[in-house]
Amino acid sequence: QKEVEQNSGPLSVPEGAIASLNCTYSDRGSQSFFWYRQYSGKSPELIMSIYSNGDKEDGRFTAQLNKASQYVSLLIRDSQPSDSATYLCAVAKAAGNKLTFGGGTRVLVKP
Amino acid sequence: ETGVTQTPRHLVMGMTNKKSLKCEQHLGHNAMYWYKQSAKKPLELMFVYNFKEQTENNSVPSRFSPECPNSSHLFLHLHTLQPEDSALYLCASSPAGTGGNNEQFFGPGTRLTVL
Repeated sequence: QKEVEQNSGPLSVPEGAIASLNCTYSDRGSQSFFWYRQYSGKSPELIMSIYSNGDKEDGRFTAQLNKASQYVSLLIRDSQPSDSATYLCAVAKAAGNKLTFGGGTRVLVKP
Repeated sequence: ETGVTQTPRHLVMGMTNKKSLKCEQHLGHNAMYWYKQSAKKPLELMFVYNFKEQTENNSVPSRFSPECPNSSHLFLHLHTLQPEDSALYLCASSPAGTGGNNEQFFGPGTRLTVL
């Protein structure tokens, strides 16, 4: 079992719709969760961090964390063509700062 | 300069060459990292430095040698690499050592090709 799993996609969504991305992790000791966006040929860019169960909203992005079920999700509302990218889920334990990344979900927003 | 910078942005080297990658962070962070990103594979953590001390070596071959002279600078020295080492090498930094805020910020990366 991979430590952090994501559906590789591509996830195709029409412009203006909601894109829903999921990530599951295997280590119950994980305490910090992050979503990064990576455009083709570029480096990852941090878009959300979440540490507690529940929802966290930032602009058009909402991260949802459920530690009991060991999953974290990202919702992108009003998807724009500029949101087309690969979204990376990353997980860290409470102690230490070692991030483990999933393989990423490629999102395509079609006009 | 702002954020995390890396030089060079592109590097082509032969298997017998010796080269170094440089990373500098302008964020006042205390931890720095090297990652490798190969095609079709997740980001792989290579090394972690907290307050200039190496705290993680993720079973990286000795042909990769990191150096952290201070909390703002990180180097990756390369020698006798193999073609399979061709990848995007990413540097990142974060504000905390162990625990606490783990938010990591990445540099633009060095695209390495080993011939």
